[in-house]
Amino acid sequence: AQSVTQPDIHITVSEGASLELRCNYSYGATPYLFWYVQSPGQGLQLLLKYFSGDTLVQGIKGFEAEFKRSQSSFNLRKPSVHWSDAAEYFCAVAPAADRGSTLGRLYFGRGTQLTVWP
Amino acid sequence: DAGVTQSPTHLIKTRGQQVTLRCSPKSGHDTVSWYQQALGQGPQFIFQYYEEEERQRGNFPDRFSGHQFPNYSSELNVNALLLGDSALYLCASSPDLSGRLIDEQFFGPGTRLTVL
Repeated sequence: AQSVTQPDIHITVSEGASLELRCNYSYGATPYLFWYVQSPGQGLQLLLKYFSGDTLVQGIKGFEAEFKRSQSSFNLRKPSVHWSDAAEYFCAVAPAADRGSTLGRLYFGRGTQLTVWP
Repeated sequence: DAGVTQSPTHLIKTRGQQVTLRCSPKSGHDTVSWYQQALGQGPQFIFQYYEEEERQRGNFPDRFSGHQFPNYSSELNVNALLLGDSALYLCASSPDLSGRLIDEQFFGPGTRLTVL
């Protein structure tokens, strides 16, 4: 069965510090990979996505993620965190094998809550 | 572009009651997916609608049902509410690319359902 693991439930960083949020998935083939952000009372906003090609993906708000097939990981990074980045971050996968029949279904991790100290 | 809209924003029901949540997809989108997000958890896929048909369903009981209208808007119905149904219900819309590629799903702000 597909699964997405975000091992860090809560991370606290100082403003201006670098950030890395971890995501590991369990699936036989390379899935499509996504990172979403959710602010309190808001829906999910897509930060970036990986379908194929270059394994380093650039997203919005200065975020990037790197797909590592050998580690089944898709970690999210930002070189310098801003106070406005405080939110909950979700990694999600859409199994590539389901591309034709289950278009659009996403499996989410449980999320990582990011706190930013001034 | 209004994006994905959902109504109502908040809802309080009691056990055993029935509830209907509504979603209007982003302009140009014809596929609607519903997710349940319990407190402290990631969203869980309920089902997806395309061309007024349920195209795929997650691991949710039959108490959860849906509908899609010709204008692509959608409803989620939950019967015989349980305390455990308390959650944020998210609607997401996406363009149908006929299986060629999975594109982004655009999420609405959600409906917060509380079951007492």
